[in-house]
Amino acid sequence: GAVVSQHPSWVICKSGTSVKIECRSLDFQATTMFWYRQFPKQSLMLMATSNEGSKATYEQGVEKDKFLINHASLTLSTLTVTSAHPEDSSFYICSAQDRVGNTIYFGEGSWLTVV
Amino acid sequence: KQEVTQIPAALSVPEGENLVLNCSFTDSAIYNLQWFRQDPGKGLTSLLLIQSSQREQTSGRLNASLDKSSGRSTLYIAASQPGDSATYLCAVPQGAQKLVFGQGTRLTINP
Repeated sequence: GAVVSQHPSWVICKSGTSVKIECRSLDFQATTMFWYRQFPKQSLMLMATSNEGSKATYEQGVEKDKFLINHASLTLSTLTVTSAHPEDSSFYICSAQDRVGNTIYFGEGSWLTVV
Repeated sequence: KQEVTQIPAALSVPEGENLVLNCSFTDSAIYNLQWFRQDPGKGLTSLLLIQSSQREQTSGRLNASLDKSSGRSTLYIAASQPGDSATYLCAVPQGAQKLVFGQGTRLTINP
């Protein structure tokens, strides 16, 4: 069945470095993928909407130069957190919209800890 | 701008009880409403999707209702089990694709 895979599931990086999180749609093509972040005990907040082959649309307050999103194919979107700082530590979740049925599927999420 | 509120923020009940989780939204012009479950440190699992033309949806012990005019939805869980312990989120679309989530209700079922 349709699955969204995120990798890595968790990552620890040093302050000032960059880290990339991948979001892949398995068994379906996704023209649109979404990136969310979730702080402990808070709800999901949409960061950006990623459309295949075009620039991502960022939500207000999200720095596009810090959170680089690339959606180069119909099955892969990546989120790169550049010059990471401890306050970027969070749970990042992606979702992908099936281009055929418009159903949205969520990934398992990626834990980022910046030390 | 759509806003989604969930009450209560946390709920703890003994095993076997029936319970209701509440979700309210400010803009009633929605296409659908979804309920999700999130286990600690995990992604989301979709539980029920109610289209705007529907009043309720059922899946096993779960029943979700939707009252668009009042901007409310409820998730009813029958005969609760410890395995139901999780955070439950409701979400509605804003525009064609974006989902706006509530803060969630952290549910604990005590054996």
